[in-house]
Order: sequence, then C-alpha cells, then structure tokens
Amino acid sequence: TQLLEQSPQFLSIQEGENLTVYCNSSSVFSSLQWYRQEPGEGPVLLVTVVTGGEVKKLKRLTFQFGDARKDSSLHITAAQPGDTGLYLCAGGWGDMRFGAGTRLTVKP
Amino acid sequence: DAGVIQSPRHEVTEMGQEVTLRCKPISGHDYLFWYRQTMMRGLELLIYFNNNVPIDDSGMPEDRFSAKMPNASFSTLKIQPSEPRDSAVYFCASITSGRVNEQFFGPGTRLTVL
Repeated sequence: TQLLEQSPQFLSIQEGENLTVYCNSSSVFSSLQWYRQEPGEGPVLLVTVVTGGEVKKLKRLTFQFGDARKDSSLHITAAQPGDTGLYLCAGGWGDMRFGAGTRLTVKP
Repeated sequence: DAGVIQSPRHEVTEMGQEVTLRCKPISGHDYLFWYRQTMMRGLELLIYFNNNVPIDDSGMPEDRFSAKMPNASFSTLKIQPSEPRDSAVYFCASITSGRVNEQFFGPGTRLTVL
C-alpha cells in the first residue's frame, strides 16, 4: 500500500512553462525527500524538507512542506528539456516509502 | 568518489534459474537498502541492513528471495528459483547514520526472467 500519493501521474509540457506536482499523505512525516530519476539510472536526491511550512529553492525548483507535514509540492519555473524525468517523493526513514512518481516530459 | 556499485547492470535468465545481484555501498555508509521498481508497483523496499545486520525484511516478497551482507562493502540479493513476475529493476542504496535522509542509489540491475 502506497502511503504517499503523487499527482499528476504524467505531465507533458512545453519548454518555458511552469508546473507544480504534489505529494500527499494521510500520515505525518518527520521529513520528506524529493528525488529525480532519469531513464536507466537510480533516483538522485534533490532536497529534504523537515519543518512544517518550510520552503526550499534549488535554482528553478521550489519545494514546500505542508504545515501539517503530510504533504509537499514541487514547483518548476520555466521548465527545460533537461528537467524531464520521474519525480519521486519519499517519507520516513529506515522503512522509507516512495510515492509512485510523476513522470514529467518537457518538450523543446 | 565512487558511488554505489551494482552488478550486473542487465540480467536475462530463464524461469527456474538462480539469480544473484550484487551491491557495493559507498565506503563508510552503515546502512544498505535493496529496492525493486516496476511500473505497476513503483519503488518498493525489500530489505535493509545496518552494520551488516538485516533490520527489516518485511518487504521481501517470498522465501525465494534472500539477501546477505557478509561485510561492510558487499551485499547480495538472490532469487531462487526465479519467475517471470520477478522481472523488474533492482536498486541498492546506502546511507550514513550521520545523514539519514540522504540515500544514494546505485544504477540498478534490470532483471528479465523469461
């Protein structure tokens, strides 16, 4: 059973557009992580959010942790083809659980 | 620095055969995780070790699956006998207890069981 639900499942946009993907849970997490996975590779950690309401920025990517620490969002500004990939959120530790991911395609 | 190393990168085998996947974690990392990824089920945790000791194997799907970590620099995941439904990408990841939120994944082993 997936404890983390991600939406949308698929997203295809043009270069230059903005987008937001979501990660929601009924459980409270002490932290959430966002990973990006490219074809043929393992997931790579982008960011960890630990405090309710926290906002972290990584260049054109903005991550937010919900006040209740049950949800998180990832916003990408002016998407580029290099942003294409599978975006995964994960929570917990030890028995870390992953969402099913949002598969993003950015077309040039 | 070398990341997590997995071998082989690709494995094709026939149903009933034994399959052994290998992982070398990042040096100094004291936790090692095995995951399986499929389109249907996403990324699932199978088992994890701390200081070479299995801590939680509740994700191992069946007795056909077994994992060992004989030392801090090597782990294996074995499937015997393999079945077509075991076809997936298997990932190994490691972390250090000093930074538990940062998992480093290997490139994965793509297993196809015919």
